Amino acid sequence: SYELTQPPSVSVSPGQTARITCSGDALPKQYAYWYQQKPGQAPVLVIYKDSERPSGIPERFSGSSSGTTVTLTISGVQAEDEADYYCQSADSSGTLGVFGGGTKLTVL
Amino acid sequence: EVQLVESGGGLVKPGGSLRLSCAASGFTFSNAWMSWVRQAPGKGLEWVGRIKSKTDGGTTDYAAPVKGRFTISRDDSKNTLYLQMNSLKTEDTAVYYCTTVRFPLAFDIWGQGTMVTVSS
Repeated sequence: SYELTQPPSVSVSPGQTARITCSGDALPKQYAYWYQQKPGQAPVLVIYKDSERPSGIPERFSGSSSGTTVTLTISGVQAEDEADYYCQSADSSGTLGVFGGGTKLTVL
Repeated sequence: EVQLVESGGGLVKPGGSLRLSCAASGFTFSNAWMSWVRQAPGKGLEWVGRIKSKTDGGTTDYAAPVKGRFTISRDDSKNTLYLQMNSLKTEDTAVYYCTTVRFPLAFDIWGQGTMVTVSS
């Protein structure tokens, strides 16, 4: 079955830039999406179509794509950004959804 | 306000069945593609399946672990999405979220989730 691979954890100090990667063979053909999930809450979409930001999401969140890897970048990280982040895409046919395993972002 | 409210979760024995509901409001439900996503305790997100709008064919697709056991349906007259779960296994224990699907395959609006526990 198709998989997306994320690092389990990333740590940054406040004000620094956090980068979370996600790799998968079908990413050159399928869009990637990113979600933020805080404890006890439902996930929130923060990036769609690789690099688009939904309304209400701060500008410090951005996304990029290069080959089989997509990256979520959080510039000027704030304490409130501490959360789990999940990438999501589809298999090569675009039929089946798939999530990465998630990355815990710790703000030191 | 766009809102999704899940219900129907609970405790069920292995091999049993359960039907979850998701009441939608604040948007044109009949035009929306909808999906179910689950999250086992302390684990990551897992896509369960999706149903297209009737105008786009109303077809369904499922993740391999639930295919043949779970069925997604919709009642556009009631603005409600359903997840019928049969032959439940302990590994189906999770919070189940319903979501809208847009952009084109992003899960952009989420409900608060409903807990399903499969245990003897």
